[in-house]
Amino acid sequence: DAGVIQSPRHEVTEMGQEVTLRCKPISGHNSLFWYRQTMMRGLELLIYFNNNVPIDDSGMPEDRFSAKMPNASFSTLKIQPSEPRDSAVYFCASSPGAPGREKLFFGSGTQLSVL
Amino acid sequence: QQQVKQSPQSLIVQKGGIPIINCAYENTAFDYFPWYQQFPGKGPALLIAIRPDVSEKKEGRFTISFNKSAKQFSLHIMDSQPGDSATYFCAASKGSSNTGKLIFGQGTTLQVKP
Repeated sequence: DAGVIQSPRHEVTEMGQEVTLRCKPISGHNSLFWYRQTMMRGLELLIYFNNNVPIDDSGMPEDRFSAKMPNASFSTLKIQPSEPRDSAVYFCASSPGAPGREKLFFGSGTQLSVL
Repeated sequence: QQQVKQSPQSLIVQKGGIPIINCAYENTAFDYFPWYQQFPGKGPALLIAIRPDVSEKKEGRFTISFNKSAKQFSLHIMDSQPGDSATYFCAASKGSSNTGKLIFGQGTTLQVKP
């Protein structure tokens, strides 16, 4: 299994531009999570999906952030318009159905820099 | 109540030493406590996890100690090696119908010197 695949690995953009981050979870996993990692705030859960349905988006910082999961094998996190304070590493993670559903498998992340 | 507080922020030990990382939580509904290990440029990976019905769990050189009354748990790394140098995160989640929603601590950067 290739694991959780995220793209791009690095993204540099200018303030005000739209940014789209992509994630392919591990096949057969029912839950998908988007986390953001910064030095100041650590790992923050932004949103998670169960069976492609958004369950909790309370961590999404503001309306500029949106996430979709159109099918079981693909999810996107979009920031529009982007701001310098959005610079962070964004991780996607997936987890299997019970048993073992607590175990999260993380991708390698997308390093986002907004200039 | 949703926070998980982790300390220390960074730790340096000599090879063979036993680094200890501590975490504290407030929400008594938490019932699953994993530790994740992260190397530079990689995502976190599950290292070891414990539930509150046991006070200790050991996997290889890694041990979790859990104190339910104090709402604290810690990670011990026996005979630490330079390859253990990484960032370690404790986490917690709640609910019998666990969907995997983890609350992470701030992380501890460990350096093991040769």
